[in-house]
Amino acid sequence: ETGVTQSPTHLIKTRGQQVTLRCSSQSGHNTVSWYQQALGQGPQFIFQYYREEENGRGNFPPRFSGLQFPNYSSELNVNALELDDSALYLCASSLEGTPVAIQYFGAGTRLSVL
Amino acid sequence: AQSVSQHNHHVILSEAASLELGCNYSYGGTVNLFWYVQYPGQHLQLLLKYFSGDPLVKGIKGFEAEFIKSKFSFNLRKPSVQWSDTAEYFCAVNARGSGNTGKLIFGQGTTLQVKP
Repeated sequence: ETGVTQSPTHLIKTRGQQVTLRCSSQSGHNTVSWYQQALGQGPQFIFQYYREEENGRGNFPPRFSGLQFPNYSSELNVNALELDDSALYLCASSLEGTPVAIQYFGAGTRLSVL
Repeated sequence: AQSVSQHNHHVILSEAASLELGCNYSYGGTVNLFWYVQYPGQHLQLLLKYFSGDPLVKGIKGFEAEFIKSKFSFNLRKPSVQWSDTAEYFCAVNARGSGNTGKLIFGQGTTLQVKP
């Protein structure tokens, strides 16, 4: 167990809807990163939050947005869902500001868009 | 753009066989390198990491990896695999330097199937 928890575990939505995914980081960690893992692919970086600010973003459109709260938990919001958004969404927490930060992953939320 | 390439997409081995999974990355600067493993139904777990120093690093469960800077490679090895090593293996790179966040760039993964 990594101490990183994600909810819900599974989610089914229809095209055009909006979804919010949640992540609780490991105790003591101050950074949360979100990844999208399509079937048969490696995880792709969506964005990272550090001290409640976005701290880097991958090649994802603005309809993917996030928040980090004072307790370092985080949300990933996706608006106007598309079929291609169907994937496993992974959250990873880390302690940035140390010489090298290791990311610890949660089990993920599997999103199906119909 | 930075990228990671894993050459073997699906590897099938018998127990006790030796394993080597290839990983190459494209980035001219300093990197941190990782191998993660995802057992069936479980979350991604860190197998081993390289930050600096000895380019031969040892991880959990008897795995090791060698960083060869001149080849931009970080291959994963295990002398003798077990059935319990059946899993998906991901190589990941974090580019160091100003302007780079802690984002990890992953390869597309290698599925290892070990036959008893």
